[in-house]
Amino acid sequence: AQKITQTQPGMFVQEKEAVTLDCTYDTSDPSYGLFWYKQPSSGEMIFLIYQGSYDQQNATEGRYSLNFQKARKSANLVISASQLGDSAMYFCAMRSTSGTYKYIFGTGTRLKVLA
Amino acid sequence: DAGITQSPRHKVTETGTPVTLRCHQTENHRYMYWYRQDPGHGLRLIHYSYGVKDTDKGEVSDGYSVSRSKTEDFLLTLESATSSQTSVYFCAISYSTSGGTDTQYFGPGTRLTVL
Repeated sequence: AQKITQTQPGMFVQEKEAVTLDCTYDTSDPSYGLFWYKQPSSGEMIFLIYQGSYDQQNATEGRYSLNFQKARKSANLVISASQLGDSAMYFCAMRSTSGTYKYIFGTGTRLKVLA
Repeated sequence: DAGITQSPRHKVTETGTPVTLRCHQTENHRYMYWYRQDPGHGLRLIHYSYGVKDTDKGEVSDGYSVSRSKTEDFLLTLESATSSQTSVYFCAISYSTSGGTDTQYFGPGTRLTVL
């Protein structure tokens, strides 16, 4: 069965510092995608970044990068130069790219950026 | 803009009453999903659809039914609401942007309270 684990319920980071949010996954599918979403206090779910299991390079989107370590089955989100607006809940998710189009989500990490 | 709307946005109902939530998309994307979000559980898939009249169960489908008679609408019905179904419900669609992979985009959510 597929599973996403986020072990950090909450984290603090100082403004302008970098922070890493952990995500580990378990799947037997040979092909899959990994996603990160941000949920600010207003409640909407915002797509941040995607990594395919066969992608050779780590994905980057602006200040977001995904530290993908396939052998360790980890897909950590790195936010550089944290801003107060980065304070939010962050969810890691996975989808198999062979078979169904189901997504599974982790339980999330709440990030608080301190001024 | 993914063009997803949900209605109602807030609802309070009583135990035992039927409730229907509507998800509407402005484009003709094939895949649509219903999730519920509860503290400590992240997002859990209730049902999803891969076309008109084509639906499948997610991990927490008991007590819920869905229908998709048109591409743009995906309805979630609680036949007899219970207090355990108090939650925030998110609709999502999945599609690929030009040159990209299929990614899931979310509606604004519906907050349902069952008294």
